[in-house]
Amino acid sequence: DGGITQSPKYLFRKEGQNVTLSCEQNLNHDAMYWYRQDPGQGLRLIYYSQIVNDFQKGDIAEGYSVSREKKESFPLTVTSAQKNPTAFYLCASSNRDYPGANVLTFGAGSRLTVL
Amino acid sequence: DQQVKQNSPSLSVQEGRISILNCDYTNSMFDYFLWYKKYPAEGPTFLISISSIKDKNEDGRFTVFLNKSAKHLSLHIVPSQPGDSAVYFCAASLSGAGSYQLTFGKGTKLSVIP
Repeated sequence: DGGITQSPKYLFRKEGQNVTLSCEQNLNHDAMYWYRQDPGQGLRLIYYSQIVNDFQKGDIAEGYSVSREKKESFPLTVTSAQKNPTAFYLCASSNRDYPGANVLTFGAGSRLTVL
Repeated sequence: DQQVKQNSPSLSVQEGRISILNCDYTNSMFDYFLWYKKYPAEGPTFLISISSIKDKNEDGRFTVFLNKSAKHLSLHIVPSQPGDSAVYFCAASLSGAGSYQLTFGKGTKLSVIP
């Protein structure tokens, strides 16, 4: 089955530690994304990557870093510089077919809690 | 500044009736609008989209209406089923390179009562 796999599903971190969230897709999509969701809030874009070895900052990139060395993988590192890292993190991918809406396929999410 | 607004945090509807979820936007340059459905602790799943050049798009029980002059869109679910109970997000994007940056509303929690 094609899809997006995020791991771990739950993660606990002590303040001051960096943590990396994994995202792998086998949909052969070119573009990948990281969103953050907080309670009562919409999804906010952290980073996105249109192609391998290229990525752009979204609306809330501060305190986060990404890499895109392979088409299938787009890991997100939450650094100690992120002031409020506790959140639900969603990875997504899309195959950007023109014209039309850019339909994202989402993973099941990773919940990060900072203790 | 919120560019996509869903002003109703929650909505309750009887099974079999129509559910109407609303969304307003401020950026008149948006070209595409999408609706996603999300269950707790899961990722959102795509429901339906509409281009700014259309005023209606239908897919089974789901219909999206777009009123560009009012910068308003709505999702109609007919008939509503208990399995429709979820949080619904409205999203919008520009076209071209801008299509990579979807802007989401805060969501509306729909509860369908059996």
